[in-house]
Amino acid sequence: GEDVEQSLFLSVREGDSSVINCTYTDSSSTYLYWYKQEPGAGLQLLTYIFSNMDMKQDQRLTVLLNKKDKHLSLRIADTQTGDSAIYFCAEKDSNYQLIWGAGTKLIIKP
Amino acid sequence: DVKVTQSSRYLVKRTGEKVFLECVQDMDHENMFWYRQDPGLGLRLIYFSYDVKMKEKGDIPEGYSVSREKKERFSLILESASTNQTSMYLCASSFGRSTEAFFGQGTRLTVV
Repeated sequence: GEDVEQSLFLSVREGDSSVINCTYTDSSSTYLYWYKQEPGAGLQLLTYIFSNMDMKQDQRLTVLLNKKDKHLSLRIADTQTGDSAIYFCAEKDSNYQLIWGAGTKLIIKP
Repeated sequence: DVKVTQSSRYLVKRTGEKVFLECVQDMDHENMFWYRQDPGLGLRLIYFSYDVKMKEKGDIPEGYSVSREKKERFSLILESASTNQTSMYLCASSFGRSTEAFFGQGTRLTVV
């Protein structure tokens, strides 16, 4: 079946860039999403990219999509303590169902 | 702003109890979802609903049922709670087929 994979943890120093990676298997995915979950809270949509785009930038966030390799990344520039959260990658498959990764916990070191 | 509200943030129930988790959304969304979230497993879909009185099984429906009597409300029912149902439960809603899902704040259920 379809699968979305991402590392469980990423540790970066405050002020550095964070790059969270995700791979997926469904070649007919339509949208790819990054959701953020802060401690004790539900998920909030951070950004998304259409499958026919390569890159999307929004302030400190850059999303890169390599459709050939089925690889999605989220880059957070100038990482701050408020960026500490779990980041979920998700893809919307051809049946419009969301397939979720396990989430990457971003840990910020001072 | 879309608001998805789950009735409880924390619940503690005994094994064998019947448990109701309620979710209400205020944006007239057709689609509603129940997920459970466990460390290292991400979000797993339990049930979803595309319309009133309609329900579809997700990836892990065993031990759960749902009810959607009104468009704004989607209930998750644990008929006889077991300790392996201790988890974080997340409700979400969405409009149409190609838009984002909006999540509630989650209910952390502990079954003892």
